[in-house]
Amino acid sequence: NAGVTQTPKFQVLKTGQSMTLQCAQDMNHNSMYWYRQDPGMGLRLIYYSASEGTTDKGEVPNGYNVSRLNKREFSLRLESAAPSQTSVYFCASPKPVNTEAFFGQGTRLTVV
Amino acid sequence: GENVEQHPSTLSVQEGDSAVIKCTYSDSASNYFPWYKQELGKGPQLIIDIRSNVGEKKDQRIAVTLNKTAKHFSLHITETQPEDSAVYFCAASRTGTASKLTFGTGTRLQVTL
Repeated sequence: NAGVTQTPKFQVLKTGQSMTLQCAQDMNHNSMYWYRQDPGMGLRLIYYSASEGTTDKGEVPNGYNVSRLNKREFSLRLESAAPSQTSVYFCASPKPVNTEAFFGQGTRLTVV
Repeated sequence: GENVEQHPSTLSVQEGDSAVIKCTYSDSASNYFPWYKQELGKGPQLIIDIRSNVGEKKDQRIAVTLNKTAKHFSLHITETQPEDSAVYFCAASRTGTASKLTFGTGTRLQVTL
């Protein structure tokens, strides 16, 4: 049982390039979330999906798009990467009764 | 929206001593307060949580206290061990669940021998 799996683990992009961060969970949870973690700022919610077929903006959605491909997968896309998007990105999925959020191991993204 | 402040940003204690991390929140409607531990290179992991109808909760060496009137909650770790070294995040939610959590800025705890 892998829980929440994120790919890739590391990525370096040039300004203006695009990429998609992948997240998959094998716990049959309805909800999935994308956070970014920056030094001194904690984790901030980018987008979330309460169930398959729905997505909503979080605190810092600008510059990102998401797709809830199916119940297992929730991807985050950067269409035109900017240095301000250099961060560690975490995907999370709360239990159905939402008492605990399970996090992936993170994707460290550097935009140069 | 909710704002969660966390102090201190770094904390160094000797093995066996106690560690206390404090958080304050702004939204009086928040009713769920989890604490997450993040080890190097890993994602955060829930270690304890408390709901607004409870003032204190304990799980072995860790405890959390909540003061709704003052809108602050604290994490207490007793008899610290080297494996307690990590970054700790508090969070708050008004949904009563782990959805839409607002996180604090984190505390890096270092337990020295």
